[in-house]
Amino acid sequence: EVQLVESGGGLVQPGGSLRLSCAASGFTFSDHYMDWVRQAPGKGLEWVGRTRNKANSYTTEYAASVKGRFTISRDESENSLYLQMNSLKTEDTAVYYCARSKKDSSSGYGWVFDYWGQGNLVTVSS
Amino acid sequence: DIQMTQSPSSLSASVGDRVTITCRASQGISNYLAWFQQKPGKAPESLIYAASTLQNGVPSKFSGSGSGTDFTLTISSLQPEDFATYYCQQYHSYPITFGQGTRLEIK
Repeated sequence: EVQLVESGGGLVQPGGSLRLSCAASGFTFSDHYMDWVRQAPGKGLEWVGRTRNKANSYTTEYAASVKGRFTISRDESENSLYLQMNSLKTEDTAVYYCARSKKDSSSGYGWVFDYWGQGNLVTVSS
Repeated sequence: DIQMTQSPSSLSASVGDRVTITCRASQGISNYLAWFQQKPGKAPESLIYAASTLQNGVPSKFSGSGSGTDFTLTISSLQPEDFATYYCQQYHSYPITFGQGTRLEIK
């Protein structure tokens, strides 16, 4: 059974840092792209960024709103995904979800979200 | 960035009804379109990818169609557990973007 369990959220002051973790189990972690998505209170979903799989050298992509401040990494030995968040702003307040992506079998081109973690609240406030 | 626009933003329907939600992309995305369902206080769940392919375990009451810029999600025979917010998402190019959501409420 695929499981994604997030941890590390909490309250942090503006300008501070926080690291979120996502522990993965039930699948071969290195085969999959992994994403972070966030949802501000009462708002819609916003993609934060992605790390590709081992075959694609674990390269990353980021949303413009977090590029240069957030860093996605993964530890294959721990089957864990991380989101290091620096220079946090009040507008980064959100529930953060990790999500697994699988290859789009129909096109062989894109990678599509299939499983999501339960979410982890990050509050940036003084 | 590719903008995704859903309509309507909210929708009221009755148990047993069939409803359709529309998603329009600001430029052509072929069929690189996914749909998600989210219930209050819960993580999203993946329903459909490649515009019309059901994720494993998703019931056939959900169906998707479209290509290029215009897409639809249809839910037939609504049940109480189907009342939720639905999001479309394009994965044609970075940044990945979502529609603003369609809230489906019980009439």
